[in-house]
Formats: sequence, structure tokens, C-alpha cells
Amino acid sequence: QVQLVQSGAEVKKPGASVKVSCKASGYSFTSFYIHWVRQAPGQGLEWVAIINPSGGSTNYAQKLQGRVTMTRDASTSTVYMELSSLGSEDTAVYYCARAVGGSYPYFDYWGQGTLVTVSS
Amino acid sequence: QSVLTQPPSVSAAPGQKVTISCSGSSSNIGNNYVSWYRQLPGTAPKLLIYDNYKRPSGIPDRLSGSKSGTSATLGITGLQTGDEADYYCGTWDNSLSVWVFGGGTKLTVL
Repeated sequence: QVQLVQSGAEVKKPGASVKVSCKASGYSFTSFYIHWVRQAPGQGLEWVAIINPSGGSTNYAQKLQGRVTMTRDASTSTVYMELSSLGSEDTAVYYCARAVGGSYPYFDYWGQGTLVTVSS
Repeated sequence: QSVLTQPPSVSAAPGQKVTISCSGSSSNIGNNYVSWYRQLPGTAPKLLIYDNYKRPSGIPDRLSGSKSGTSATLGITGLQTGDEADYYCGTWDNSLSVWVFGGGTKLTVL
């Protein structure tokens, strides 16, 4: 069965970086795009980034440009999201999600979420 | 402020029907398909509707989706206490080249 399993919770100090992983299984890793979505405490869903696991091309939310980097390791079917220069506003649960539907995508499977806490 | 606009909250009694609206523009809803997600506290979102109105396997026909122009609607009939959750609409935005979500709607079953 399809699974997206994320790395565990992180606590970081302001200005530090965090790297969260999302390991896919149960399907052809390079066949579907992976997105990252975050949710600050008590807030709604916010789209962060997208990666094409096949070629590695990426696109990022404008407000995070320059601070976020998505990479993938096809040999382990794992996608990574690294966020640098962390501030308190980056405290959130980060989710990876598989996008299906081709030109009209939607998210059919989600990771369990990774809580990133930024605190001095 | 979200690109897609949803009402912050809706409520109805058990057994009744509720609708949740999602308003966008020609760069997103107007030229793309909409999907809907349900999120229970402390859990990841779950797909309810895709391609405007299609239901994944396992989603009951009490839930329905529709789209007209630059707006979409999620409908839930025969409300149950288990339907209490946050609901989000989402789609791709062609102008921004990003995925956009609505701000979310909290459904309360009175």
C-alpha cells in the first residue's frame, strides 16, 4: 500500500536550519510529484513547495524563496525539505503529500506530519 | 489571507445538510479542478473530493462536490457528529504556478 513516512519532530533555535524527510513506498517513486504543505498552530494549510521526483525540478512558495530547498534521493525513494534561517513563524507541522491527476492534480496520500518548533 | 475564500465556520444539526463554499478566480478555480480535504484535530488532511465532484473509494455519497465558474461547493447531507472537522478546498493556480488552499471551514454539528 502507498505510504509516506516522515521524519520525527524537530526543535530548532532561531536562525538555524531544519531538514525533514519523506520516504515513499508502495508505488513508483518517480511517477508522481511530491508537495510539502505546512500548518502553523491553530492556522490553515499553507502550500510550501513541489518537486518532480523524476527530474528533480522544483517550485517554491514565493514567501519562502531563498530559504527552502527540496531535494530527492531516488535510490531510497525519499524527498527532503530543508528550511533555513528559521524564525518563530516557521513553527508548524510540515506534511508531504503525493499529487496525482496529471495536469489537474490533487493529493491522495499524505505523510503523518512533522512538527518543527522554533524556539530560543 | 488565502487565495481561495471559504467561510470560517458553518453549523447544522445532525441529519441536516450543509454546504461549504470556495471562491477563487479564473487563474485557479476557473480553469482547474478543485479538490476537498477533511482534517480532524491532530491528523493529516484526507481527500474527500477530486476533479470537482468525484469521490475516492470509501467516501460515502453523502458528500458531494460541484463547481460553477470560479466557485466550488462541498455538500454534506445526513450530518453526523463524526463530520465535525476542518474542511479545505484546493487547486492549482496557473498565474502563480503554485498550489492554493482555502482558509478552511470549521464544521460544527450541533
